[in-house]
Amino acid sequence: EPEVTQTPSHQVTQMGQEVILRCVPISNHLYFYWYRQILGQKVEFLVSFYNNEISEKSEIFDDQFSVERPDGSNFTLKIRSTKLEDSAMYFCASSDEGQGSYEQYFGPGTRLTVT
Amino acid sequence: GENVEQHPSTLSVQEGDSAVIKCTYSDSASNYFPWYKQELGKRPQLIIDIRSNVGEKKDQRIAVTLNKTAKHFSLHITETQPEDSAVYFCAASGYSTLTFGKGTMLLVSP
Repeated sequence: EPEVTQTPSHQVTQMGQEVILRCVPISNHLYFYWYRQILGQKVEFLVSFYNNEISEKSEIFDDQFSVERPDGSNFTLKIRSTKLEDSAMYFCASSDEGQGSYEQYFGPGTRLTVT
Repeated sequence: GENVEQHPSTLSVQEGDSAVIKCTYSDSASNYFPWYKQELGKRPQLIIDIRSNVGEKKDQRIAVTLNKTAKHFSLHITETQPEDSAVYFCAASGYSTLTFGKGTMLLVSP
């Protein structure tokens, strides 16, 4: 069964550094998402992406964040200048039908630790 | 925006008992309600979902009920097993993306 993959599994970075988290969605999916989960807390929506543009973003997704689909397979989340509070698990997800209303398949996550 | 409340935050049951987790949502436009199971350090995995045109859905030991009037939906697990132990998240979605509840840690004791 196809799965969403993410790299790296764990990223440690210093405050103020830029990080890029990578995702490969399921190949025939058209809708892509990033979520984050601070340790012990709920999953929070960051951004959704369709047709090469952001379709929705949360208030968490400020100017320090950006997303890109640089080629036909990868979907990236960039944090320009990391803060301690960016430490979390970041999940990528994809779905093949209408935004938000159909099953979203989650990747295994990237644990980001900002020191 | 949508707000999803989930109760209880922890639930301990004996193997073989039933477990019920309840969620309420605020946005009457929400029409899709999935439940995810997350084991420690793993990704959330969809276990069952329900759409607003259905009141109940069952898949083996798992069932979900939806009351649109009251804006609440529940997950029912029967004949619980130790491998059911995990954190369970409800979520709601309308036109926009998934809004998750805070999760319920289910502990099933042998």
